Amino acid sequence: DTAVSQTPKYLVTQMGNDKSIKCEQNLGHDTMYWYKQDSKKFLKIMFSYNNKELIINETVPNRFSPKSPDKAHLNLHINSLELGDSAVYFCASSQEGGTLLGSYNEQFFGPGTRLTVL
Amino acid sequence: AQSVTQLDSQVPVFEEAPVELRCNYSSSVSVYLFWYVQYPNQGLQLLLKYLSGSTLVKGINGFEAEFNKSQTSFHLRKPSVHISDTAEYFCAVREIQGAQKLVFGQGTRLTINP
Repeated sequence: DTAVSQTPKYLVTQMGNDKSIKCEQNLGHDTMYWYKQDSKKFLKIMFSYNNKELIINETVPNRFSPKSPDKAHLNLHINSLELGDSAVYFCASSQEGGTLLGSYNEQFFGPGTRLTVL
Repeated sequence: AQSVTQLDSQVPVFEEAPVELRCNYSSSVSVYLFWYVQYPNQGLQLLLKYLSGSTLVKGINGFEAEFNKSQTSFHLRKPSVHISDTAEYFCAVREIQGAQKLVFGQGTRLTINP
């Protein structure tokens, strides 16, 4: 009954390959996010989807393509993997719709997916 | 745009000693402030948050933080740490009237020595 789950937990692959990371939340939230944590532990947002619609795209290479088949899922597909893509990728979710502008809604994070590109 | 600076990348302390983890932020708009904890090989967990009201906020596990608007700081404190507090701690901000994205600091590695 994990709130935000990600698969796989670990992913080791060769340069040039295409891979996907899946994220699912069972909290009933309408907004989901992908964050990247690099080798120095620095966390930065990549994407945000609200009700399957892209609302944040933070200058991420177009090799990264998020896909949201429904509100509970936000998958991350990465084409032509590069060494610099090695990182831990975190999915998160929150409930934003139907609330007052400027109100706070907590983001809940998944356990992370450690991607290693060789 | 916002930015967050955590002034110490690593903080070693002895068990039962007090600790302060420093965080300064920069923003042209009003923000919410957060501290998250990341235990080894785990995701992020919210420790505490400042939204409005009293500048001293209390969180889980005995942590507290004080919002200082004039110094644009949000330092995290605990009067007596335990071995189990060993973790990475992240300060973060989010615009009040804007995108919901969190902007994180670089993290502070807190190591508790027996």
